[in-house]
Amino acid sequence: GAGVSQSPSNKVTEKGKDVELRCDPISGHTALYWYRQSLGQGLEFLIYFQGNSAPDKSGLPSDRFSAERTGGSVSTLTIQRTQQEDSAVYLCASSSLGGARNSPLHFGNGTRLTVT
Amino acid sequence: DAKTTQPPSMDCAEGRAANLPCNHSTISGNEYVYWYRQIHSQGPQYIIHGLKNNETNEMASLIITEDRKSSTLILPHATLRDTAVYYCIGIGGGSQGNLIFGKGTKLSVKP
Repeated sequence: GAGVSQSPSNKVTEKGKDVELRCDPISGHTALYWYRQSLGQGLEFLIYFQGNSAPDKSGLPSDRFSAERTGGSVSTLTIQRTQQEDSAVYLCASSSLGGARNSPLHFGNGTRLTVT
Repeated sequence: DAKTTQPPSMDCAEGRAANLPCNHSTISGNEYVYWYRQIHSQGPQYIIHGLKNNETNEMASLIITEDRKSSTLILPHATLRDTAVYYCIGIGGGSQGNLIFGKGTKLSVKP
């Protein structure tokens, strides 16, 4: 079946511009997660959604970062006034149950963001 | 969640079994041991998870010691496509989405 889909796969933007990254989770998955991975680094948690609400947004690095989820499905991660240190691969994952302990995460292949 | 320790890298010959160890000596009773892997330029992929008993699926086997302080992921017949970074993660009931992936083990399968 269809996996987690992310778009765009690549995004190049100028410093100071806003960007929106989209995630389509697996149909029926109630939980959705955003991570990012800088070059050669590990995965860094950003935010977790259960349905349309975000019980854990502790990983968002600054108030320039925000995310929303509508209809319990699609999620958008928005970065305002992008900086060069925002360059990374942004990964989205979904799971059928809430909480990473209860069911495996299924990841998309990410959006590679480059800020010039 | 438990801190896990893995060797930074391992080699395995194609067709042989790959045995990847993980130490999680501080794991608590309700924490599952999850294994994911990340092939270059792809998102992480779930492999297997367990609590106390050994587990097997179409991808791998997971052997957890009786005291639960360590585990081994076994790929029975490694192929070149199994070359990836393998992550062992302890996940408890308090975890929501904040998985600590650590640095993992870079497995290189060689012909």
